[in-house]
Amino acid sequence: NAGVMQNPRHLVRRRGQEARLRCSPMKGHSHVYWYRQLPEEGLKFMVYLQKENIIDESGMPKERFSAEFPKEGPSILRIQQVVRGDSAAYFCASSPKRWSLANQPQHFGDGTRLSIL
Amino acid sequence: ELKVEQNPLFLSMQEGKNYTIYCNYSTTSDRLYWYRQDPGKSLESLFVLLSNGAVKQEGRLMASLDTKARLSTLHITAAVHDLSATYFCAVSPNDSGGGADGLTFGKGTHLIIQP
Repeated sequence: NAGVMQNPRHLVRRRGQEARLRCSPMKGHSHVYWYRQLPEEGLKFMVYLQKENIIDESGMPKERFSAEFPKEGPSILRIQQVVRGDSAAYFCASSPKRWSLANQPQHFGDGTRLSIL
Repeated sequence: ELKVEQNPLFLSMQEGKNYTIYCNYSTTSDRLYWYRQDPGKSLESLFVLLSNGAVKQEGRLMASLDTKARLSTLHITAAVHDLSATYFCAVSPNDSGGGADGLTFGKGTHLIIQP
């Protein structure tokens, strides 16, 4: 499967716990984008990363949320001290170069459905 | 702040009928995307519209873009049950300011096609 891989597909956490969501980009892609989809809403951009760098985090909440994309391994979206409002589907997309410079659609993974009890 | 509005948000129609979904956006953009999402699934890219007057067709779906009116339409011809899904339009603004690397999505149109 050469697509964007996300895991886990479903994640349940209790309030106050930490959630870690993983995204492995398509082979050869070094740019990753994270989005959040609340129920009955469209996707909202959170953060754009290249390997070892955060390029644009304008959509990321200022507290409790962080993202990384290390030199080796998947991109991680981390949510600390989760609250009920964090319940959502989190999608990532990847591209071989800066997507805004290319005239192609973003290709999305299957998402992680996060439920907070 | 870029705003993307779709209408209608909910649409129930019968097989064989035609209908149009509208997508309005609030800032200059030459790039608009249509996606389909089935319940519990990821987003599937349908169309990429890159210039004023662009029109693309795939099967019973046709999308167009009018950048002057800041409007895109997704037209469904002779609908069939398999087209039931949620359809999103998404826009990438022309400026290179913050957030320009991410798409801005509409809320989606939930389409139900009754057999």
